[in-house]
Amino acid sequence: IVMTQSPLSLPVTPGEPASISCRSSQSLLHSSGHNYLDWYVQKPGHSPQLLIYLASNRASGVPDRFSGSGSGTDFTLEISRVEAEDVGVYYCMEALQTPSAFGGGTRVEIK
Amino acid sequence: QVRLVQSGPEVKKPGASVKVSCQASGYTFADYDFTWVRQAPGQGLEWVGWVSTSDVKANYAHDLQGRVTLTTDTATKTAFLELRSLRSVDTATYFCAREGNYFYSGMDVWGQGTTVTVSS
Repeated sequence: IVMTQSPLSLPVTPGEPASISCRSSQSLLHSSGHNYLDWYVQKPGHSPQLLIYLASNRASGVPDRFSGSGSGTDFTLEISRVEAEDVGVYYCMEALQTPSAFGGGTRVEIK
Repeated sequence: QVRLVQSGPEVKKPGASVKVSCQASGYTFADYDFTWVRQAPGQGLEWVGWVSTSDVKANYAHDLQGRVTLTTDTATKTAFLELRSLRSVDTATYFCAREGNYFYSGMDVWGQGTTVTVSS
């Protein structure tokens, strides 16, 4: 499975919304009805951290300004109001099968 | 406090082997499996492999098959990554992460990363 993210870079203004797209080469919809798609963010100098699992479930402690949507092969991560601390590289990852695959990443930076 | 603490940086010559450890604490070891991810300098994330803590199952990235082995030790609550026949392209930071083995909920806790440098 090949994961394709867009855009590569996303300059954002604090307080404004932001959206990242992730497309998979195969459907990530499992027979259980869940889409096996995660979102991670890697902030500068840190390990990656989980934001969203199974396409739309926020991980523990993740602010509600982050939301995930989509099904099948097209997914979106939205930040309702970007804050300065949201700077980093965002990755989608398919978890439907192994070996798993990450998208190439989207760098979010403050304008 | 749930933590994954990885071993320190390694510098190896081409052709050598490296073994990286990832010690878990603060949770029931057997309830989670481990995934390993690597990141070459300035590059994105690359999935390396997955290992079960409850049996001997493991899955590996296609291009690392035959050179990588993932294991776990329940007694010490530690996961290991061994990579053999090292090449310069293996220079990267290697991360371990836990993954629930009953209901999938993503890789919710990560280690701090271990830098492996392969250089002659």
